[in-house]
Amino acid sequence: EPEVTQTPSHQVTQMGQEVILRCVPISNHLYFYWYRQILGQKVEFLVSFYNNEISEKSEIFDDQFSVERPDGSNFTLKIRSTKLEDSAMYFCASREGQRTDTQYFGPGTRLTVL
Amino acid sequence: TQLLEQSPQFLSIQEGENLTVYCNSSSVFSSLQWYRQEPGEGPVLLVTVVTGGEVKKLKRLTFQFGDARKDSSLHITAAQPGDTGLYLCAGEGDTGNQFYFGTGTSLTVIP
Repeated sequence: EPEVTQTPSHQVTQMGQEVILRCVPISNHLYFYWYRQILGQKVEFLVSFYNNEISEKSEIFDDQFSVERPDGSNFTLKIRSTKLEDSAMYFCASREGQRTDTQYFGPGTRLTVL
Repeated sequence: TQLLEQSPQFLSIQEGENLTVYCNSSSVFSSLQWYRQEPGEGPVLLVTVVTGGEVKKLKRLTFQFGDARKDSSLHITAAQPGDTGLYLCAGEGDTGNQFYFGTGTSLTVIP
């Protein structure tokens, strides 16, 4: 069964450093999402992406964050200058179309900012 | 931001018992999804409900979307230890490009 993959599974970085989290969505999917989940808290929407541009973003997704689909298969989330409070699980998700299509989540990347 | 509150936050029951988890909001959603999340993994979709009043069954799980599309419930009949996990509801915004997750219900079914 097709699945969303994410790398790395765990990323440790120093505060102020840039990180890039990578995702490979399911191949025929057109809509892509990033979420984060701080330990013990709820899953929070960050951004949605369609047709090579951001569709919608939350208040969390400030100018320190950016997304890119550089080569037609990868979907990346970049955090320019990490802060301690960016430590969280970051989940990528994709879905084929809209509305009732299933949103498939990747296994997540655990980001730890020291 | 549209808030979704789930109750209870934690639930521990004996195998064979029935339970209901609630997902409530003051906002209207285009659709509502229920997910189950295992530790260290991403959420896995269980069901999507779209129409107000809609009821969907998935084996021993029954999902209902409120008439006003602001709330939902998940009912599990004869719970089994394999049902243990974190259950999340998520509401879809009008644009179809943003999802608002609930606070989660952690269920433990004791054999």
